[in-house]
Order: sequence, then structure tokens, then C-alpha cells
Amino acid sequence: DGGITQSPKYLFRKEGQNVTLSCEQNLNHDAMYWYRQDPGQGLRLIYYSQIVNDFQKGDIAEGYSVSREKKESFPLTVTSAQKNPTAFYLCATLGLAGGLRTGELFFGEGSRLTVL
Amino acid sequence: AQSVTQLDSQVPVFEEAPVELRCNYSSSVSVYLFWYVQYPNQGLQLLLKYLSGSTLVKGINGFEAEFNKSQTSFHLRKPSVHISDTAEYFCAVSDDSWGKLQFGAGTQVVVTP
Repeated sequence: DGGITQSPKYLFRKEGQNVTLSCEQNLNHDAMYWYRQDPGQGLRLIYYSQIVNDFQKGDIAEGYSVSREKKESFPLTVTSAQKNPTAFYLCATLGLAGGLRTGELFFGEGSRLTVL
Repeated sequence: AQSVTQLDSQVPVFEEAPVELRCNYSSSVSVYLFWYVQYPNQGLQLLLKYLSGSTLVKGINGFEAEFNKSQTSFHLRKPSVHISDTAEYFCAVSDDSWGKLQFGAGTQVVVTP
């Protein structure tokens, strides 16, 4: 099946621990994104990557890190420096049609992180 | 940077009644506009999008939206809702096709029999 796979779906961590969320896609899309969702606040952009080995900070990058070593994979690490990490995290890719960007994002099912 | 305002945080509606979800954005020379739907504990699914052309956009599941440049609005409508339309709906806007969307805070639609 073509799509975006995020894992784990649910994750618990203790304060002071780093945690890495996985995002894998087989849509052959170049650009990938991480968004954070909090109740009543919509989605906010954490990091994005337009191409392999390149990534840019979004609006709320502090306390997060990413890597983009392969086209298919864009993992997000939530570090201990993130003050309020409990949230729903969504990975997305940018659609292509005929090799051109469509502007449309395709989303994974999300990962819910709870800090105890 | 763009900003998006969804004017209603929650909209209760009876089954088979019409619904309208309001969305306003900050002005820009050109915009790409989207409506997404999210069911509990799931990702977002695209309902419809406006990139250019006709201002009335039809999407999936019977939804449509109208782009109004003078009022900087992109309201979503459905003439007759089903119980299965209960979900959260997000309006999003971008200045270009690179996918850096600004999202509204969301509107929770609750459909009751």
C-alpha cells in the first residue's frame, strides 16, 4: 500500500528523556514535514525537508531535531530541551503531479506522545 | 506570513441539515487554500483545495467551498450532513506550492440525529 507510516502510534516517556518518532513514506515524494497538534491550536510546523540531506526549521523548532538521510525517511527527535512535549505529532509529504508540486499535503496517522 | 481564522470552534448540527464552516485568512497576492478533515486519533485527509480558476470548489463527500478574494474568505459548506461527518475540520493557507501550510485552530462538527 502506498502511504505514510508513522510509528509508534502511542509513546510514553519520562521527563528528561529524548524520544525519536519515525516517519516512512513510499509515495516517492521529495518534501516531508513534521507538524505538532495541540487541542484548540491547530497544527504548527516544526521542521521540513525539501530534499535529501537538507532540512529547515519551521515555526516551533526549538527542542526538536531531524535528519533526512534517505528520501523515504524523516525521523523527528523530541529532546529533553522541549519544554512541553506532550502532543500529537503528524508527518506529511508534499504531493506531486507530473513532477510538479501540487501544494497539497498527505498526512500519516500520527504519533501521540505523553510525557509522564 | 499568512494567518488563518476559523470563526467557530464548535458547530452542532442535526442530521440532514446544512452546515457552513467559516474561514478567513490574511490577505496576500496569491494564496493556496485547503480544507482538511480529521477523525479522532487519525491524520488529516484533504476535502478540497483552491489553487486557481473557478472560485467554487467541489470536494469529496459532498463538500464545497467558495473562494472570495475581496472578503479573504474560504467558507466550507455541505447541503445535508450525515452522522459520519462528525469530525474536526481545518482550514489551511499557503503563499506558494511548497506545502508550508498555516492552519486554523479547527472547527469541531457534531452531527446529532
